[in-house]
Amino acid sequence: KQEVTQIPAALSVPEGENLVLNCSFTDSAIYNLQWFRQDPGKGLTSLLLIQSSQREQTSGRLNASLDKSSGRSTLYIAASQPGDSATYLCAAEGVSYNFNKFYFGSGTKLNVKP
Amino acid sequence: DVKVTQSSRYLVKRTGEKVFLECVQDMDHENMFWYRQDPGLGLRLIYFSYDVKMKEKGDIPEGYSVSREKKERFSLILESASTNQTSMYLCASSLRRLRKAYSNQPQHFGDGTRLSIL
Repeated sequence: KQEVTQIPAALSVPEGENLVLNCSFTDSAIYNLQWFRQDPGKGLTSLLLIQSSQREQTSGRLNASLDKSSGRSTLYIAASQPGDSATYLCAAEGVSYNFNKFYFGSGTKLNVKP
Repeated sequence: DVKVTQSSRYLVKRTGEKVFLECVQDMDHENMFWYRQDPGLGLRLIYFSYDVKMKEKGDIPEGYSVSREKKERFSLILESASTNQTSMYLCASSLRRLRKAYSNQPQHFGDGTRLSIL
């Protein structure tokens, strides 16, 4: 069974710092790896999706990479801002029989201090 | 813009009540999912559906049932609510993958329903 782990569980950094969030998965047979952001009391917002054939995706100050062979993905946030404070989750999408199934990490709670 | 809408943001019910949580998506997605999210336990899949009238149990289906009579709507039912079902409930949808087709399409989530059972 696929297991997804995120380290660290929490991170506090000063504004302006560049930072990396880590996501690891045990089964490399995935369709894609998706990064989400969750604000307190809210649902998940999709940030980036990397297909299994890709190595990275970029959106603004965010860059996500994928290394299937090592079972790892990273989310790089450049020049962090207080508005980036949220919980970040990664999810690996696999196939169970004919269904899509998503395996979530437990998240990294990010606090960016002004 | 894509949209997954959950009928209530906050809901308070009593033990033993039958509770309905509704989710509607406007993206013509085949797959729909219900998760619950609890501190320290992350997201756990309750049920999912890959087509109208089709449903599959997720990791924690006990005490829940679902209904998918129309493609755009997926309902979660708590048959007899209990206090341990107090949680944040999240609905999501996605395109069905045909081999690797559409693998660049993300899963979309609603804003969640914070359910309290008293």
